[in-house]
Amino acid sequence: AQTVTQSQPEMSVQEAETVTLSCTYDTSESNYYLFWYKQPPSRQMILVIRQEAYKQQNATENRFSVNFQKAAKSFSLKISDSQLGDTAMYFCAFMKPYTGNQFYFGTGTSLTVIP
Amino acid sequence: DTEVTQTPKHLVMGMTNKKSLKCEQHMGHRAMYWYKQKAKKPPELMFVYSYEKLSINESVPSRFSPECPNSSLLNLHLHALQPEDSALYLCASSQIRAGITGNYGYTFGSGTRLTVV
Repeated sequence: AQTVTQSQPEMSVQEAETVTLSCTYDTSESNYYLFWYKQPPSRQMILVIRQEAYKQQNATENRFSVNFQKAAKSFSLKISDSQLGDTAMYFCAFMKPYTGNQFYFGTGTSLTVIP
Repeated sequence: DTEVTQTPKHLVMGMTNKKSLKCEQHMGHRAMYWYKQKAKKPPELMFVYSYEKLSINESVPSRFSPECPNSSLLNLHLHALQPEDSALYLCASSQIRAGITGNYGYTFGSGTRLTVV
């Protein structure tokens, strides 16, 4: 079974600073997908960034970027120029293709951006 | 339209009541999901529909009954719930491309906050 570990239950960062959220996973698959989702107090899960395992290049989306280390099974999220609206719970998720569509979520990291 | 709409946003029901949660999307996604989420926990998969057919039931108690009347609509019928069923119920949808589902990520709704009294 796949496991996804987020070792930081809570983190805080000053506004405009940079923060990195960690995620590791365990799998024997060679092809898979990784995601970071954000869940603000409004409750909606919002896709932040996506990475395909067969692509070596790290994904970026504006202020969000990942450090994908396939051999180490690590998928960390870096948030640059943190904004108050980044305050949320962040979930790392793993998905195998052709498996009936199931995401394996990590336990989440609660991020607070301090003004 | 790039949204998944869930109604109602909040629901309080007694243990003998029957109620339904509704989820709608108009993005042409052919996979739809129900998740249950407790506070400060990740979502837990309940059901998956692919092409309007139930493809995964994660051993959910029969007091939860899903229904997919068409490709845009997903319902969750609730009956004889227990207080421990109180949670946020999230609906999601995803594309199916070349036989692969969800690899571009899921689009989630804002959820229904359910309280069973």
